[in-house]
Amino acid sequence: EAGVAQSPRYKIIEKRQSVAFWCNPISGHATLYWYQQILGQGPKLLIQFQNNGVVDDSQLPKDRFSAERLKGVDSTLKIQPAKLEDSAVYLCASSLGTKDNEQFFGPGTRLTVL
Amino acid sequence: GNSVTQMEGPVTLSEEAFLTINCTYTATGYPSLFWYVQYPGEGLQLLLKATKADDKGSNKGFEATYRKETTSFHLEKGSVQVSDSAVYFCAPQQGGSEKLVFGKGTKLTVNP
Repeated sequence: EAGVAQSPRYKIIEKRQSVAFWCNPISGHATLYWYQQILGQGPKLLIQFQNNGVVDDSQLPKDRFSAERLKGVDSTLKIQPAKLEDSAVYLCASSLGTKDNEQFFGPGTRLTVL
Repeated sequence: GNSVTQMEGPVTLSEEAFLTINCTYTATGYPSLFWYVQYPGEGLQLLLKATKADDKGSNKGFEATYRKETTSFHLEKGSVQVSDSAVYFCAPQQGGSEKLVFGKGTKLTVNP
C-alpha cells in the first residue's frame, strides 16, 4: 500500500516570497491533516479536512496560510508571504476518519525561509 | 484543550538498558492516548496506543499503560536496542475529536 506522498521534500525561499506544498493521502482516507513542526518541538496541527470540508483550522494563521482539498483527495498548503518564523517541517497525515484511528504521516517538506 | 508534558531529552542509554519516558497530560474527559516514533530520516509512525483507562498498548517490546488517576501514559521498554534510537512523541487525542496534541518529543540514543 502506498503511503502519504508529499512534495517537494525541501524548499528554500526568501522572506516575503510565496510557497506551496502538495500532499497525496493514502487512498480511501477521508481525513487529511497538515502539521507544522518547528525544530525541537512536536508537530502542531494547522488544519484538518474531512473529505473536502474543513473540520478544524483554529491554529492556521489565515492572514498568510491557506489550504485546500478541492476534490477530497490531494491537498495543497500555501504560504504567502513567508516569514522567517515559518521555517519548519510541514507534515501531511491522513486517516480513515474515525476516532482512535491511526494517522499516517508523510515524509514532510522542510522549508527554510532566509 | 489538552496539553501534554513529556520528559525532556536527550536520553542516552547503553544497549539492553531499561527505558522509561514519562508523559503526563491534561484533558477534559478520557482521550485516547498515542505514542509516535520518528526514526532518523523517516516520517512519524504510530508506535502504540491505548483507548481507555487501564488499557496497555504494546508494540516492538515497548509498553505504555493508560493511567486515569495520574493522567499519565509513560513509555517503557525492558531492554533497548541500538535500532530503537529515535525521537518519541506522546500524543493524547483531544477529547471527543481525532485531533492529536503532541509533546515536544524525547530523543533517545542507544549505544552498543
